[in-house]
Amino acid sequence: GAGVSQSPSNKVTEKGKDVELRCDPISGHTALYWYRQSLGQGLEFLIYFQGNSAPDKSGLPSDRFSAERTGGSVSTLTIQRTQQEDSAVYLCASSLLGGYGYTFGSGTRLTVV
Amino acid sequence: DQQVKQNSPSLSVQEGRISILNCDYTNSMFDYFLWYKKYPAEGPTFLISISSIKDKNEDGRFTVFLNKSAKHLSLHIVPSQPGDSAVYFCAASSESGGSYIPTFGRGTSLIVHP
Repeated sequence: GAGVSQSPSNKVTEKGKDVELRCDPISGHTALYWYRQSLGQGLEFLIYFQGNSAPDKSGLPSDRFSAERTGGSVSTLTIQRTQQEDSAVYLCASSLLGGYGYTFGSGTRLTVV
Repeated sequence: DQQVKQNSPSLSVQEGRISILNCDYTNSMFDYFLWYKKYPAEGPTFLISISSIKDKNEDGRFTVFLNKSAKHLSLHIVPSQPGDSAVYFCAASSESGGSYIPTFGRGTSLIVHP
């Protein structure tokens, strides 16, 4: 696609429910990143995929968070048993080689009530 | 512990004047720096970058200055325009196993008044 596509754009969920957020990167981009931005905070790194290499999960805040990337393209970020502190904008970015020139999607605004 | 700090949460500037956004970092391993601009309800968009081998990079109205000894960089916008009103994020990265995972600051909200 022409840009990084994320869905849904908004998600309201009840505390304790599981949610799945989707990212469709730019075609041909081998690197994919997930970040989140909580209110008043910067962009917090979550996870990084590069080609067929094992993902860098060092930013995931707890074991309730997981992500996968199927076929080197679409990625899904899953949050299990959501908590109110998970409320944030979740941003996905992709780049050609895992270096410079990241392109971000518009994000998914997650609200846990 | 913030490795990338943007100490001014907001900045207000008159149209036509210079906007200066500042960023400090603590990790001496950072060797590549980026500025992103973000409008409400949109993802951040890349603005300009600089490698640690340089101390200045210019692109039109935007110039980034890097002072490695002070671990400080700044973004200058001249002249500022109302359309520049957005949140500006500073980011820094260092090579780690061949990947560059940028660390972002908390952002500075720039308002340019007509």
